[in-house]
Amino acid sequence: DGGITQSPKYLFRKEGQNVTLSCEQNLNHDAMYWYRQDPGQGLRLIYYSQIVNDFQKGDIAEGYSVSREKKESFPLTVTSAQKNPTAFYLCASSTSPSGYGYTFGSGTRLTVV
Amino acid sequence: GESVGLHLPTLSVQEGDNSIINCAYSNSASDYFIWYKQESGKGPQFIIDIRSNMDKRQGQRVTVLLNKTVKHLSLQIAATQPGDSAVYFCAESYTGGFKTIFGAGTRLFVKA
Repeated sequence: DGGITQSPKYLFRKEGQNVTLSCEQNLNHDAMYWYRQDPGQGLRLIYYSQIVNDFQKGDIAEGYSVSREKKESFPLTVTSAQKNPTAFYLCASSTSPSGYGYTFGSGTRLTVV
Repeated sequence: GESVGLHLPTLSVQEGDNSIINCAYSNSASDYFIWYKQESGKGPQFIIDIRSNMDKRQGQRVTVLLNKTVKHLSLQIAATQPGDSAVYFCAESYTGGFKTIFGAGTRLFVKA
């Protein structure tokens, strides 16, 4: 079945560490996105990519980095520069950048210990 | 600036009753609206969508209403069931835009 897979489901980070969250899709979608979700808040866009080898900053890109070397993969690195990284991270892909056909992964919960 | 918001952060209904979840949007250029359901610890799932050339769209037990005059969107769930308990998000986007804007969400509790 086609879908979007995020791993790991739970991730713990020590202060000062970089961690990378994986996102893989087999839907043949061009556009991929990373969102952050905090309790009681909507989804906030971190980075998005409309095509391979190209990506753009979203609303809260500081302290994060991404790459898009393959159409299927869009990993997110949470760097030590992100001062409050504890959150639920969601990856999504779509057939169109305008939001049509959005599919979400099951999320990664990142906790700083 | 652009925003998609919700009038009620939580909604509690009795099993079998109808539920109505409301959403306001501010971008007049938005022409595509989506409702998502998110269960605890999971990613959002698509429920139903509507384009700006429509006022109403029905799915299985769900109906979305769009009032462009007052920039208001609502999701109606008929005969609400315990499995409907979740957080519901509205979202907006527009043709040629590069991202979808999500509201903060409404938590729906269904009492048995």
